[in-house]
Amino acid sequence: AQSVTQLGSHVSVSEGALVLLRCNYSSSVPPYLFWYVQYPNQGLQLLLKYTSAATLVKGINGFEAEFKKSETSFHLTKPSAHMSDAAEYFCAVSGAGGGNKLTFGTGTQLKVEL
Amino acid sequence: DTAVSQTPKYLVTQMGNDKSIKCEQNLGHDTMYWYKQDSKKFLKIMFSYNNKELIINETVPNRFSPKSPDKAHLNLHINSLELGDSAVYFCASSQADYNSPLHFGNGTRLTVT
Repeated sequence: AQSVTQLGSHVSVSEGALVLLRCNYSSSVPPYLFWYVQYPNQGLQLLLKYTSAATLVKGINGFEAEFKKSETSFHLTKPSAHMSDAAEYFCAVSGAGGGNKLTFGTGTQLKVEL
Repeated sequence: DTAVSQTPKYLVTQMGNDKSIKCEQNLGHDTMYWYKQDSKKFLKIMFSYNNKELIINETVPNRFSPKSPDKAHLNLHINSLELGDSAVYFCASSQADYNSPLHFGNGTRLTVT
């Protein structure tokens, strides 16, 4: 079975500071990994996805994530936080054997302070 | 030109009632899903259809019955609503392959009183 673990249900940063949201995965097959963002009262939007083409993946809004097989991690980063980045962020995994079943982590709420 | 649209946005009803949520996608995707997001924001898949055929059916009470009249529509009917059914229900769609991202609707907030 595939799963992802997000460390830290709440992360708070100052505007302009580095954003680091952690995600570790567990998968018996090469995983496909995703980061989604959810703004209040909205659905989820795709930030970026890893599909084995490159270990460093760039997404929208200045976010990027690095796939590290040795650490089974796929952490999300952004060099400089903006107030508009405040949202809930979800890491997710899918792969063979489960249809196109996307399994989500428990989410990390990002707060950006002045 | 909304990609995945679901109605209604809010649904308030009493225990024991039957209700439906409708979902439509105009992305030409083959696969559609229902996810449930609980009060702690945890997202869990309920059902998945590929070209009108049920392919994922998680351990969901049989009071929940999805219906897909065509590959652009996936509706969710819930019988005998219970307090614990209160949640936000998201419809999503994607292409059928594993690395295709899901496109989500804006959710239906169901409150059972």
